[in-house]
Amino acid sequence: GQQLNQSPQSMFIQEGEDVSMNCTSSSIFNTWLWYKQDPGEGPVLLIALYKAGELTSNGRLTAQFGITRKDSFLNISASIPSDVGIYFCAGQLYGGSQGNLIFGKGTKLSVKP
Amino acid sequence: GAVVSQHPSWVICKSGTSVKIECRSLDFQATTMFWYRQFPKQSLMLMATSNEGSKATYEQGVEKDKFLINHASLTLSTLTVTSAHPEDSSFYICSAARVLTGFSTDTQYFGPGTRLTVL
Repeated sequence: GQQLNQSPQSMFIQEGEDVSMNCTSSSIFNTWLWYKQDPGEGPVLLIALYKAGELTSNGRLTAQFGITRKDSFLNISASIPSDVGIYFCAGQLYGGSQGNLIFGKGTKLSVKP
Repeated sequence: GAVVSQHPSWVICKSGTSVKIECRSLDFQATTMFWYRQFPKQSLMLMATSNEGSKATYEQGVEKDKFLINHASLTLSTLTVTSAHPEDSSFYICSAARVLTGFSTDTQYFGPGTRLTVL
């Protein structure tokens, strides 16, 4: 079945530093999504990407849909303590309710003040 | 907009009992809702896809008689864990895809999750 490789598995950074994480897939997706999950909470959608090559920003977050449709990255600029959490990428072959999400294993981000 | 709620947020039950978890889309309609399961320090695994007015579609390895799903309306889906056992203890999360226009749907929005502990 489809699998997503998300890296790095964890990151320990200093407040103010930039962060980069990525996901790669063995097969193509038509939608890439990035979520953040805090402990004991459900994932919260950060950025949705619907088109190969698309670069989208949400505040200090920037994500890109790879041109091959098999990868995506998420960058966080000038990290702050509240950025702490687990970030998941998710790929979807069909949009909306037409297909389920395939999740990466997550990147745990720790920010030192 | 696009808020999804779950109830209860946590539940502790004895082995052998059944537990019902509700998933509601508060400010939008969702013809399709999804149920996920997440073990500690792991990613989300899809259990089943719930369609309003029809039977749910279960992923391979998920027992449909064990995890009963009912999607009674465009805003409510329920997951019942029947005859729960300690190995069913997990974090259960639902998501809902918002209906836009016609047959078009938005991406999935997640509920806050339900922590189930079976003693």
